[in-house]
Amino acid sequence: DVKVTQSSRYLVKRTGEKVFLECVQDMDHENMFWYRQDPGLGLRLIYFSYDVKMKEKGDIPEGYSVSREKKERFSLILESASTNQTSMYLCASCGSIYEQYFGPGTRLTVT
Amino acid sequence: DAKTTQPPSMDCAEGRAANLPCNHSTISGNEYVYWYRQIHSQGPQYIIHGLKNNETNEMASLIITEDRKSSTLILPHATLRDTAVYYCIVRVVTDSWGKFQFGAGTQVVVTP
Repeated sequence: DVKVTQSSRYLVKRTGEKVFLECVQDMDHENMFWYRQDPGLGLRLIYFSYDVKMKEKGDIPEGYSVSREKKERFSLILESASTNQTSMYLCASCGSIYEQYFGPGTRLTVT
Repeated sequence: DAKTTQPPSMDCAEGRAANLPCNHSTISGNEYVYWYRQIHSQGPQYIIHGLKNNETNEMASLIITEDRKSSTLILPHATLRDTAVYYCIVRVVTDSWGKFQFGAGTQVVVTP
């Protein structure tokens, strides 16, 4: 079975903290994605990566950075967390042109 | 800008067919139509996709109009576990990393 895992289901951080969200896929996919999901706004793409050490900005990259040192792992970094980054974060991977496989999500609360 | 338009919500009786409409009047010739769904507290799940022909798999059927400006996802026998938000997405498939742009979707509630 295809699997995308995320390091935490729930996370609470303070304003100004550096936050790491980890995503691991076991399907040898080249392409990985980070989205955030907010009520009424749907899923919005933050960053994606199509190869190790390669990254592209999505629609809302401000305040975020990413790291892809290994094919199976794609990390989302909040350099200095702010309250407006409280959200559900979803990681996905895509090995073919047809479908993305999503992880269970991390609900991040920044206080 | 949203490329698709879906009703915000719809109800369906358990055991009946659920027909979910999607309007994509500005779709380009190289864009596919995808459907995903998201059950509460889970990540989105792929359902089906198509270009211009009708498609069917074990989960659902996809009917695309001849002009490709709209489509309908059909869940043939809805169950309570089909309660979810359903997303219709159009996507250019030229590269494997083409973006999936999710809108607000349709909240489907299946009732006993």
